[in-house]
Amino acid sequence: AQKVTQAQTEISVVEKEDVTLDCVYETRDTTYYLFWYKQPPSGELVFLIRRNSFDEQNEISGRYSWNFQKSTSSFNFTITASQVVDSAVYFCALSELGNTGNQFYFGTGTSLTVIP
Amino acid sequence: NAGVMQNPRHLVRRRGQEARLRCSPMKGHSHVYWYRQLPEEGLKFMVYLQKENIIDESGMPKERFSAEFPKEGPSILRIQQVVRGDSAAYFCASSPMKNTEAFFGQGTRLTVV
Repeated sequence: AQKVTQAQTEISVVEKEDVTLDCVYETRDTTYYLFWYKQPPSGELVFLIRRNSFDEQNEISGRYSWNFQKSTSSFNFTITASQVVDSAVYFCALSELGNTGNQFYFGTGTSLTVIP
Repeated sequence: NAGVMQNPRHLVRRRGQEARLRCSPMKGHSHVYWYRQLPEEGLKFMVYLQKENIIDESGMPKERFSAEFPKEGPSILRIQQVVRGDSAAYFCASSPMKNTEAFFGQGTRLTVV
């Protein structure tokens, strides 16, 4: 079973629009971590945020914000006033504390295209 | 503090050859992870190592693939007798301890011709 689901495969928005990327996860652990990574066309993976399962406070960093809701097992990512430089593939990931292997489970990614 | 360094960035091998991918973790990081990204797919866990120890290799194919993280030097992902299906981007990540953010290298893109 897929532990992290990113249902949106591709999204296109016009510059300055807001866009929300969805992430739904599945775990039986009570302690876990959720992450978002950005993969621009150049291919590297850029860390954006880590959230632990005990911290449901939403977070805002500039134009980025994250909405963590344990009740729906979701960790959604919103970009406000999108810019062309936001065009990338975004990955949501889960790390389970009880997993001694410390694997990161990645979603299949959402490819965001911001049209100028 | 340099980031995670992977080399080479691009590697071309003929079928049957060996591929060696290197990963130098960030300074002070003793946990290393290898992931494979097939075209149009997300990253799949391969192996997790701490210095000189393989902690979890549940994502590694049983044959032809091996990984090490010696006391001195970079972590090495080795693929013997490569086949076309091994063509992918291989990412290495490091972290200072369990369950903290992992910092990824720029990846090695392996092409098997």
